[in-house]
Amino acid sequence: QSVLTQPPSASGTPGQRVTISCSGSSSNIGSNTVNWFQQFPGTAPKLLIHSNNQRPSGVPDRFFGSKSGTSGSLAISGLQSEDEADYYCEAWDDSLNSYVFGPGTKVTVL
Amino acid sequence: QVQLRESGPGLVRPSQTLSLICTVSGGSVGSGDYYWSWIRQPAGKGLEWIGHIHTTGSAKYNPSLKSRVTISLDLSKNHFSLKLTSVTAPDTAIYYCARESSGWAGDYFDYWGQGTLAFVSS
Repeated sequence: QSVLTQPPSASGTPGQRVTISCSGSSSNIGSNTVNWFQQFPGTAPKLLIHSNNQRPSGVPDRFFGSKSGTSGSLAISGLQSEDEADYYCEAWDDSLNSYVFGPGTKVTVL
Repeated sequence: QVQLRESGPGLVRPSQTLSLICTVSGGSVGSGDYYWSWIRQPAGKGLEWIGHIHTTGSAKYNPSLKSRVTISLDLSKNHFSLKLTSVTAPDTAIYYCARESSGWAGDYFDYWGQGTLAFVSS
């Protein structure tokens, strides 16, 4: 059972906006930054958003991260077929003294 | 461009020790303010942080695995390693190594290896 909660799936048609939530608590997201990773089948996760809302070089500005209180959010605007992947949130947990990941959200482009 | 590559035996017998190495190129494991992490992912499941080691050699482990895990640096070979003792079937997973960088308010895993499968079976 994950400390961070994500919806198991999300979907949209090309061009639509999809939002993925990541719910935590005061010991993780509430007091630390949220990072997001994109993972395609059979490949390693790729850093998509760090420090709540920062995009690494090369990540399209269609991906937007935010944080409010004990929840983080990843929005994908202008959804494209190549965005079909699993998305994971992650944060440090002060109580567990460990990094924790969400269970992942599978994004499907209809 | 930093690159990481995991290596190690694909098959480990139950109760034995899993040993993996992450070789780093394009950077030094002993330089800069970085942590070097191990993260695993059972087939079809989510990610679990195992632990990390700083360039200074200070290590921290996931409390759920702490009694069985050792992560160490080898500066001469520019790699870091993972040892997980007393393995059982639930330890079967893809094991990733990753670099942690420091952001303005927190750390993040910015470079990852391609992953290596460790299968626990007799």
